[in-house]
Amino acid sequence: DAGVIQSPRHEVTEMGQEVTLRCKPISGHNSLFWYRQTMMRGLELLIYFNNNVPIDDSGMPEDRFSAKMPNASFSTLKIQPSEPRDSAVYFCASSLLAGLLDTQYFGPGTRLTVL
Amino acid sequence: DQQVKQNSPSLSVQEGRISILNCDYTNSMFDYFLWYKKYPAEGPTFLISISSIKDKNEDGRFTVFLNKSAKHLSLHIVPSQPGDSAVYFCAASADNNDMRFGAGTRLTVKP
Repeated sequence: DAGVIQSPRHEVTEMGQEVTLRCKPISGHNSLFWYRQTMMRGLELLIYFNNNVPIDDSGMPEDRFSAKMPNASFSTLKIQPSEPRDSAVYFCASSLLAGLLDTQYFGPGTRLTVL
Repeated sequence: DQQVKQNSPSLSVQEGRISILNCDYTNSMFDYFLWYKKYPAEGPTFLISISSIKDKNEDGRFTVFLNKSAKHLSLHIVPSQPGDSAVYFCAASADNNDMRFGAGTRLTVKP
């Protein structure tokens, strides 16, 4: 299994532009998670899905952030418009079982830089 | 608000010695705790976990201790190996909801 796949690995954009991060979870996993890692705040859970349904998006920082999971094998995290303070590494993770307690497998992350 | 705190940003130990990474939390509703290890340019990988009904969980060289009264947990690595050099994140969850992470501790194991 290829593990959790994220694209792009690196993204540099200018303030005000739309950014879309993509994630392919491990096949057969039922939960998908989006995290953000910054120096100031460490690793934060943004949103997670169970069986493609968003369960908890309380970690999404602002309305500029949105996430979708149209099917079991694909999810996107969109920032529109992007701002320099959104610069961070964004991780996607998946787990076999629903909820937060099952072992999560992380992707390699997308390093976002907003100029 | 930082509900999970790792107050030591870095730790350096000699190969073969014990590494002790500490984590404090403020939310008494947390009932499940996890440790993740992260290498540069990779995503975190799950290491070990403990439920609040236990005070110790051991897996090979890794042991997690939980002190609920002090709201403190620690990860012990014995013996430490150079390959253990990574950033370690402590995480906590309340009622299978709302995972919170500490800021991480960078462990360096010197040969």
